[in-house]
Amino acid sequence: NAGVTQTPKFQVLKTGQSMTLQCAQDMNHNSMYWYRQDPGMGLRLIYYSASEGTTDKGEVPNGYNVSRLNKREFSLRLESAAPSQTSVYFCASSEAGSLDTQYFGPGTRLTVL
Amino acid sequence: RKEVEQDPGPFNVPEGATVAFNCTYSNSASQSFFWYRQDCRKEPKLLMSVYSSGNEDGRFTAQLNRASQYISLLIRDSKLSDSATYLCAVRLDDKIIFGKGTRLHILP
Repeated sequence: NAGVTQTPKFQVLKTGQSMTLQCAQDMNHNSMYWYRQDPGMGLRLIYYSASEGTTDKGEVPNGYNVSRLNKREFSLRLESAAPSQTSVYFCASSEAGSLDTQYFGPGTRLTVL
Repeated sequence: RKEVEQDPGPFNVPEGATVAFNCTYSNSASQSFFWYRQDCRKEPKLLMSVYSSGNEDGRFTAQLNRASQYISLLIRDSKLSDSATYLCAVRLDDKIIFGKGTRLHILP
């Protein structure tokens, strides 16, 4: 039981390059989330998917797209990376319900030069 | 006003002392409340959910005050291993919103 897995763990991009961050969970959770965490800014929600087939914008969606490929997988795409997107990206999942707990992946450390 | 606010700290506390953090939230429709712990360069992990009547887990006690819209975390008999950043989180509809975290340093 791996929980939430993310790939890659580290990535360096040049400005303008594109990439996709992968996330998968094996807990049969309905909801999945993408956050970014920057020093002094805390965790900020980029996009989330309340259930398979739905996605919604969070607090900071500009410059990102997401795909809920199936119940297990939720990917985050940067179409044209910018230095402002240098951050640590966390994927999380939770079971729906009023007392749901979020389980986080280990994070992807992305640097955009 | 930010949706979830915390004192960023750092709180520097001697080992064995009691320390308390508060977290305020702005939306009265918030439905669930949590405390997460995050170690340096690691992912956040759930410390405890916060129930309306308050709840305790060993040395940790969490309280919810809906009238004043804050949650609190009390750590008794603090250990060196309690050094971390503590994030409060609030569920509103389908989203969970986090505070920026409070850094705690336990001093030997």
